[in-house]
Amino acid sequence: ETGVTQSPTHLIKTRGQQVTLRCSSQSGHNTVSWYQQALGQGPQFIFQYYREEENGRGNFPPRFSGLQFPNYSSELNVNALELDDSALYLCASSLIGGVQETQYFGPGTRLLVL
Amino acid sequence: GNSVTQMEGPVTLSEEAFLTINCTYTATGYPSLFWYVQYPGEGLQLLLKATKADDKGSNKGFEATYRKETTSFHLEKGSVQVSDSAVYFCALSSYTGANSKLTFGKGITLSVRP
Repeated sequence: ETGVTQSPTHLIKTRGQQVTLRCSSQSGHNTVSWYQQALGQGPQFIFQYYREEENGRGNFPPRFSGLQFPNYSSELNVNALELDDSALYLCASSLIGGVQETQYFGPGTRLLVL
Repeated sequence: GNSVTQMEGPVTLSEEAFLTINCTYTATGYPSLFWYVQYPGEGLQLLLKATKADDKGSNKGFEATYRKETTSFHLEKGSVQVSDSAVYFCALSSYTGANSKLTFGKGITLSVRP
């Protein structure tokens, strides 16, 4: 158990809808990173949040956005859902302040877009 | 850019067999290297890590040595168990300023027969 929690566990949406996924970071951590894992693939970095600001972004369009709150929890928002957005969404928490901090993952939210 | 290459799978072994899963990487600077494991229907769990050249990470009988000269981080275990059946991901952490993101390989599925 990493102490990182995500909600919901599963979600079904239709194309064009919007979705919000939530993540609570491990106690003592100040950074949350989000990853998208398509079926049979390795996770792909979406973005990272530190001190409530985006702190790096992968190759994802602007319809993927996020927030980090003062308690370091985070949301991932996806607008105008497309079929290819169907995936497992993972968040990971870590502590920036040390060198090469380790990321600890939550159980993920499985999103299906129909 | 950074990349991680894992050997093609899946891998099927009998219980108590020796395991090697190959991983090579391309990166600028001095990345940290990780192995994560994903059990069916779950998120990623950190298995082991190494933060500098010649470091050996170890956990639960698994080992991997950070080889800078061959840019490799191969995972080994002397005697696998049925409970080791899972998907294994090699990853590197690139630290750019205050941002660190994980770059993953495609993963390899290990099945261990009784």
